[in-house]
Amino acid sequence: GQQLNQSPQSMFIQEGEDVSMNCTSSSIFNTWLWYKQDPGEGPVLLIALYKAGELTSNGRLTAQFGITRKDSFLNISASIPSDVGIYFCAGQLPGNTPLVFGKGTRLSVIA
Amino acid sequence: DTEVTQTPKHLVMGMTNKKSLKCEQHMGHRAMYWYKQKAKKPPELMFVYSYEKLSINESVPSRFSPECPNSSLLNLHLHALQPEDSALYLCASSHRTGPSGEQYFGPGTRLTVT
Repeated sequence: GQQLNQSPQSMFIQEGEDVSMNCTSSSIFNTWLWYKQDPGEGPVLLIALYKAGELTSNGRLTAQFGITRKDSFLNISASIPSDVGIYFCAGQLPGNTPLVFGKGTRLSVIA
Repeated sequence: DTEVTQTPKHLVMGMTNKKSLKCEQHMGHRAMYWYKQKAKKPPELMFVYSYEKLSINESVPSRFSPECPNSSLLNLHLHALQPEDSALYLCASSHRTGPSGEQYFGPGTRLTVT
């Protein structure tokens, strides 16, 4: 099936630092979604992107839909301890198809 | 309100038991989903319901039986499960299937099969 390459797999950062993660694919996507998942909980939708080149912010989070439609990135500015968790990208291919998930980026924040 | 609720939060069952997982949303969404998630892995799609009809079954074993009684409710009936079926089971909903994309997840049911 389709795959999304999400990187990095894990990150250890100091509180206050900025974070960047991305997802790439060899296929063109119509929609990019970014989720955060805390342990034992369901993924929470952070940002949804629908147009190539679109840049969208949600508080300290900013995500972009790549121009080629094959990638997306998520930035977190001035990280805080509650940013800890697993971040998943998900993309939707053209047509009536299920979401494709990346393998996740595990973020740890050191106070 | 973007809330999807799931019950129970935790479930322990033996391999001969029959149990059900429940999911509810009141956002008027017409597509609902069941996912299975193993530790440190992304959610894995099991079933999709669109307008209360099963539209996708990702070759899930028959010991998992989904049901959509109405547009707000989604059940997953479990019977004769195996220990390897232990996982976090997530329900999600969206306005519709297709390019809308935005799926909202419930908190999940942590299932342990003994």
